[in-house]
Amino acid sequence: DTAVSQTPKYLVTQMGNDKSIKCEQNLGHDTMYWYKQDSKKFLKIMFSYNNKELIINETVPNRFSPKSPDKAHLNLHINSLELGDSAVYFCASSRDLSPYNEQFFGPGTRLTVL
Amino acid sequence: AQTVTQSQPEMSVQEAETVTLSCTYDTSESDYYLFWYKQPPSRQMILVIRQEAYKQQNATENRFSVNFQKAAKSFSLKISDSQLGDAAMYFCAYCARAGSYQLTFGKGTKLSVIP
Repeated sequence: DTAVSQTPKYLVTQMGNDKSIKCEQNLGHDTMYWYKQDSKKFLKIMFSYNNKELIINETVPNRFSPKSPDKAHLNLHINSLELGDSAVYFCASSRDLSPYNEQFFGPGTRLTVL
Repeated sequence: AQTVTQSQPEMSVQEAETVTLSCTYDTSESDYYLFWYKQPPSRQMILVIRQEAYKQQNATENRFSVNFQKAAKSFSLKISDSQLGDAAMYFCAYCARAGSYQLTFGKGTKLSVIP
């Protein structure tokens, strides 16, 4: 029943490792997003995809690479993890690119880099 | 660049009372959308209410209503008859009607509800 799901919910890893976070939505939406929420709760867009095409790519290090194998999935791969990457990462989806559309968020993945 | 400012990092309200959360934004656009999202301790973000800038009438959703002042670039959220389940982080967000299609969030207000 979960509309937007993310795995894993918690991820603890060492500096320098590579990790992936998976996101799936079963709402039939065309548009998906990745957000980063830092320790002060500030939420910032990282990427958005529409019909598997990259629309927004904010100033994010190249170590972050989103991949959308189909409209229902948007995965986030992170290379060479750094301490500053520790945050909660949220996936979201919306019906399409219309800015009025409600965005449906996943439960978040808390990434801790040691 | 658009910015969204929430000047109250924390607020508290007595159960059944009314509370107003403030939000101001800066934009050169004339057509845009404004949102309030709620993030309870479970972390899942939920849309509370949204407003289209070209509509003068303030949006309402049950106990939640907004006071949208376009000239002042102000978009406050009023919660009436506060309930324990209203305790959460509340984020104000802005999105231009045209352009980058991205939500810009404020830094949030943590609302506590006192029984």
